[in-house]
Amino acid sequence: QKEVEQDPGPLSVPEGAIVSLNCTYSNSAFQYFMWYRQYSRKGPELLMYTYSSGNKEDGRFTAQVDKSSKYISLFIRDSQPSDSATYLCAMRPSGGSYIPTFGRGTSLIVHP
Amino acid sequence: GAVVSQHPSRVICKSGTSVKIECRSLDFQATTMFWYRQFPKQSLMLMATSNEGSKATYEQGVEKDKFLINHASLTLSTLTVTSAHPEDSSFYICSARRDSNTEAFFGQGTRLTVV
Repeated sequence: QKEVEQDPGPLSVPEGAIVSLNCTYSNSAFQYFMWYRQYSRKGPELLMYTYSSGNKEDGRFTAQVDKSSKYISLFIRDSQPSDSATYLCAMRPSGGSYIPTFGRGTSLIVHP
Repeated sequence: GAVVSQHPSRVICKSGTSVKIECRSLDFQATTMFWYRQFPKQSLMLMATSNEGSKATYEQGVEKDKFLINHASLTLSTLTVTSAHPEDSSFYICSARRDSNTEAFFGQGTRLTVV
C-alpha cells in the first residue's frame, strides 16, 4: 500500500460544478497537508496548505483534513475551464526531514 | 509566493552527451533544493535533496554518478544528466525552500528528450 493514495481520474465536470478531490494516507505522523495544481508541462503550484485537522478556505478553494480517517479533500466551487489541470496532494510530518510525500495527482477537466 | 526559475524548459540531446539543468530561487535564499523526476500521469519522484554547500542526498535507486547535483550557492542548484540515454527522457522538476519551516516552491520543469 502506498503512503498516499489518489485517484488519477480523469474527472470531467461541467463549468460551474462543485469539484471534490480526495486523498487517503496511511502514515499517522503526517501533520502538514498541501494541494498543488499542475498545468500540462509545467511545475506544480502550491494552492493550499493546512496544518492538522480542520478546514481552510481561500476564494473558491476549500481544503479539508480529517486526520481520524486519514482523508483529505480539496473542494473547488464554481469550477472554471481554467481549473482544468492535475491536482496533487502532498503531506509531511512535523519533524524529520520535512520532505513531503506526493499523491500521483488527479486530472481534472472542466468543460464549458 | 516565491519564484523559482528553472532553465531550460525543454532540451533535446543526443545519446551519450551530458545535459545541465539550472534551478534558481529568484527572490529568496534557498537552504534546500529538491530535484524530482515525473513520468507521464505519474506523481513526482524525489531524486535527491541538496543543501547549500554540502553534498546532495540521493534517494534509493538514483545513481549519483549519473545525476550530478551541485548546490553551490543559496540561489542556484544544478542537475547534470551525464551520458544521457533515451531512458533518461523525462520531465525534471526542481523545488526550493527557504528553510525547514516553510514549504517549497517549484520551478516550471524541464522536458528532456534524449535521441
